[in-house]
Amino acid sequence: KNEVEQSPQNLTAQEGEFITINCSYSVGISALHWLQQHPGGGIVSLFMLSSGKKKHGRLIATINIQEKHSSLHITASHPRDSAVYICAVPFYGGSQGNLIFGKGTKLSVKP
Amino acid sequence: EPEVTQTPSHQVTQMGQEVILRCVPISNHLYFYWYRQILGQKVEFLVSFYNNEISEKSEIFDDQFSVERPDGSNFTLKIRSTKLEDSAMYFCASSLRSGSFFYSPLHFGNGTRLTVT
Repeated sequence: KNEVEQSPQNLTAQEGEFITINCSYSVGISALHWLQQHPGGGIVSLFMLSSGKKKHGRLIATINIQEKHSSLHITASHPRDSAVYICAVPFYGGSQGNLIFGKGTKLSVKP
Repeated sequence: EPEVTQTPSHQVTQMGQEVILRCVPISNHLYFYWYRQILGQKVEFLVSFYNNEISEKSEIFDDQFSVERPDGSNFTLKIRSTKLEDSAMYFCASSLRSGSFFYSPLHFGNGTRLTVT
């Protein structure tokens, strides 16, 4: 069974700061998901990546398959980025949606 | 942009009652999923559904749970006899493809908060 560890659990930043959230997993995977959970509870898929780096606006996700590690970066953070960021990986041998989720990193960006 | 829609947003029920949570996935998607999140805990996978049958389910998804796609648009999760510990947020998601080499993004609904009293 894959274990997913995220760090930090909580993160408070000032507006404009560069943010890094880390995710480590224990078993080899073919793709990793980064998700954003809004304060109201809804979940949005940010990235799905299997190698290298992906960028969308101020968000950058990287993955190192050999080291079983991924990072989510937010450049020029803004209060609207305040949310819980969740890393998820497929259950070993399972399909894409059969995911094991991390506990999440709660980000609070102060103006 | 197409969305996954879940109804109701909040459901309150008494212990022992049956509840049906409803989801309308994105219209051209083929793979459907249910997840749950107990307050303060991680999101957990419940079940995946493809081609009108369950393709995978977790240990949580016991005989009290069932899923159905009763028509071309709805995807439902039924809990036959609710227990207090079923209180959670339930998320539906859908994707166009699935599999080792053809991953496509998951699209989540906003969730249904189920409260069992």
